[in-house]
Amino acid sequence: QVQLVESGGGVVQPGGSLRLSCAASGFTFRNYGMHWVRQAPGKGLEWVAFIRYDGNNKYYADSVKGRFTISRDNSKNTVSLQMSSLRVEDTAMYYCARDRIRLGYHFDYWGQGTLVTVSS
Amino acid sequence: DIQMTQSPSSLSASVGDRVTITCRASQSISSYLNWYQQKPGKAPKLLIYAASSLQSGVPSRFSGSGSGTDFTLTISNLQPEDFAIYYCQQSYSTPQVTFGPGTKVDIK
Repeated sequence: QVQLVESGGGVVQPGGSLRLSCAASGFTFRNYGMHWVRQAPGKGLEWVAFIRYDGNNKYYADSVKGRFTISRDNSKNTVSLQMSSLRVEDTAMYYCARDRIRLGYHFDYWGQGTLVTVSS
Repeated sequence: DIQMTQSPSSLSASVGDRVTITCRASQSISSYLNWYQQKPGKAPKLLIYAASSLQSGVPSRFSGSGSGTDFTLTISNLQPEDFAIYYCQQSYSTPQVTFGPGTKVDIK
């Protein structure tokens, strides 16, 4: 069965860095684009970043552009999010999600999330 | 950027009720509209994609409709496990998708 397991969250000071990882299993990872989506405490969902199935195209939300970098390793079935220059407003649960293309685009599987807290 | 709005922001309903949630896009998005359900402490779950297609494994009491800018999610015969927050999402501008602010469905 499809599984996405995030890791790497934690507490970091403003201006610091953190690297999140998402380990995928149960499907042919190299065939799917992958997203990161975040949710601040008590708030709604915010799309963060996307990487194409082959890693050749990457897209970012304006709120993280220039600070976050998405990458993937298709040999290890992982997608990562390198976060730098972290701000208090980056505090959120971070989810990885699989991109499916069927009559359009949608996120058909999500991980359980990893919590990032930016605080001094 | 395409903005998404949802109404109502919250509603109270009883088991067995029929519930309708509305989602509106700031511009036409054809049928590139998805619905997700999120329960407390859990990841979102895909319910409906392409405005009206039911995701595999999702009960048939969930249905979606609409195109262009106006969409609805309907839950017929509301069940106890349906109390959750529901988000719409436009994928017209994929991969830079946007979500609606959510509609909380709780028990009357």
